[in-house]
Amino acid sequence: GQQLNQSPQSMFIQEGEDVSMNCTSSSIFNTWLWYKQDPGEGPVLLIALYKAGELTSNGRLTAQFGITRKDSFLNISASIPSDVGIYFCAGRDSGGSNYKLTFGKGTLLTVNP
Amino acid sequence: DTEVTQTPKHLVMGMTNKKSLKCEQHMGHRAMYWYKQKAKKPPELMFVYSYEKLSINESVPSRFSPECPNSSLLNLHLHALQPEDSALYLCASSQRTWTSGRHEQFFGPGTRLTVL
Repeated sequence: GQQLNQSPQSMFIQEGEDVSMNCTSSSIFNTWLWYKQDPGEGPVLLIALYKAGELTSNGRLTAQFGITRKDSFLNISASIPSDVGIYFCAGRDSGGSNYKLTFGKGTLLTVNP
Repeated sequence: DTEVTQTPKHLVMGMTNKKSLKCEQHMGHRAMYWYKQKAKKPPELMFVYSYEKLSINESVPSRFSPECPNSSLLNLHLHALQPEDSALYLCASSQRTWTSGRHEQFFGPGTRLTVL
């Protein structure tokens, strides 16, 4: 089935640093979603993207829908300890079911105070 | 209100037990989902209900039985589970109106299931 390549797999950064992560797909997507998951909790939606080239911010988070429609990026500025968690990208294949999301394998972020 | 609630938070059951997981949303969403998630892995889709009807079953074993009593509630009935079924079970919901172009799924906090 469809695969999403999410990188990096993990990141260890110092508080205050900026973070970048991305996802790429082999096919065209018409929706990109970014989630954050804390241990033992469900994923929380951070940002939703629907148009190629779209750049959307949510506080210190900024995400972009790649113009090729095959990738998306998430940036976190001035990281803080509560940014720790697993970040998942998810997308809807333009030729796929309205219900099905394809998830990346996640980026584990650790922030050292 | 973008909240999906799930009960119980934790569940421990033996392989011969019958138990149920419950999910509720009051966002008016007409699509509801069950996912299974293993540690440090992405969620895996199990079932999708649209307008209270089962739309997708991702070849899930029959020991998992979903039910959608009404537009706000989703249950997952468990029977004769195996230890490998231990996982975090997540419920999610989304708008069913595709013309809006919105496909965000909102997840609940999950039920941590342990099968002994």
